[in-house]
Amino acid sequence: DQQVKQNSPSLSVQEGRISILNCDYTNSMFDYFLWYKKYPAEGPTFLISISSIKDKNEDGRFTVFLNKSAKHLSLHIVPSQPGDSAVYFCAASGETSGSRLTFGEGTQLTVNP
Amino acid sequence: DTGVSQNPRHKITKRGQNVTFRCDPISEHNRLYWYRQTLGQGPEFLTYFQNEAQLEKSRLLSDRFSAERPKGSFSTLEIQRTEQGDSAMYLCASKRTGGSYEQYFGPGTRLTVT
Repeated sequence: DQQVKQNSPSLSVQEGRISILNCDYTNSMFDYFLWYKKYPAEGPTFLISISSIKDKNEDGRFTVFLNKSAKHLSLHIVPSQPGDSAVYFCAASGETSGSRLTFGEGTQLTVNP
Repeated sequence: DTGVSQNPRHKITKRGQNVTFRCDPISEHNRLYWYRQTLGQGPEFLTYFQNEAQLEKSRLLSDRFSAERPKGSFSTLEIQRTEQGDSAMYLCASKRTGGSYEQYFGPGTRLTVT
């Protein structure tokens, strides 16, 4: 069962525009959500996170929104830059699961100059 | 803080052979996690340690897989009698107990079973 799902395998945007990546989850026990970025031949790099007690967290160009009732979160990147081109993974965790991360399938973001 | 390191970065082996991977976590991190990633998928949890104790194993971890963290520092993941389906990227991550949930990943070991 896929508890964390990213329905868009790929997304292409123009430099300077907004990138919006989406993620849905099914397990109500998740209480912390994270976004990771991954370049080829490297491990995932932590980007930004949000606790379930919040609905928004912002860090520079990156903002994560959480809608608990819809079990949905999104990552906004504004403005998008060509260096943001990578695979983005949504992940969920909770203390009851030993803090292990459950990942979505990933979305390949391409930012065109 | 030198980050999480993994060795080797690449391993090609013939079906039926045994392989062992090593992970060195960030030094003050007492939790260490192993994940496996196949093409087009996100990383999948395999097992994790708190200090030297292995606290959880995924059902993905068949009896051909074994992991150790003997002194609570580095960890090894061994796969016995490798199968072609074991071909994947094996990722290691670490974090401190408590505090935030962020895990810090190594570069991974890419295993190819021929």
